[in-house]
Amino acid sequence: DTGVSQDPRHKITKRGQNVTFRCDPISEHNRLYWYRQTLGQGPEFLTYFQNEAQLEKSRLLSDRFSAERPKGSFSTLEIQRTEQGDSAMYLCASSLWDSLHGYTFGSGTRLTVV
Amino acid sequence: SQKIEQNSEALNIQEGKTATLTCNYTNYSPAYLQWYRQDPGRGPVFLLLIRENEKEKRKERLKVTFDTTLKQSLFHITASQPADSATYLCALPFGVTGFQKLVFGTGTRLLVSP
Repeated sequence: DTGVSQDPRHKITKRGQNVTFRCDPISEHNRLYWYRQTLGQGPEFLTYFQNEAQLEKSRLLSDRFSAERPKGSFSTLEIQRTEQGDSAMYLCASSLWDSLHGYTFGSGTRLTVV
Repeated sequence: SQKIEQNSEALNIQEGKTATLTCNYTNYSPAYLQWYRQDPGRGPVFLLLIRENEKEKRKERLKVTFDTTLKQSLFHITASQPADSATYLCALPFGVTGFQKLVFGTGTRLLVSP
């Protein structure tokens, strides 16, 4: 297992377009998390899954954001009608259910909305 | 509401010295606290976890303390090297036991000069 993979690494999109990001977690991990990070800030929690169930969504996650984890494997994060304020690094992480061994993060997808 | 504070100013030290970073939190009693390292353009990497009943934890040149009375954790890097230059994040679990996710501080940037 090579860790958590995210695709694409970079995405430039025009305002109003839809974008989708993919995350492939470590196969033994049943929890998957999405975070957003802007310059000079720590990662902000967006949502997380235990297997295929989405257990919590942050109030930061507007109706334009949706995440899925079909079959409890990879996950996708879609942003509809992108806005300039959506520009950020989107980080995916996975962990065992108890998180006591920490989260393993991917390298992130940097989104720029122009 | 819960709050996690890390010094937002960068810490500049000379190679060989000990770097000490601080994480303070309020309105919360976490069962454990984690520290991560983040390099520019990369996702955070898990370093250490310390539980509420542990006063100190060590890993190679790293040492973490956890004072639940002061609601503070200190992160020390001894014999620092330029390769230790990075942003260091503390993270605490929030939520109902069994359904918790990590909330991160803003991070402190460490610069180690040769």
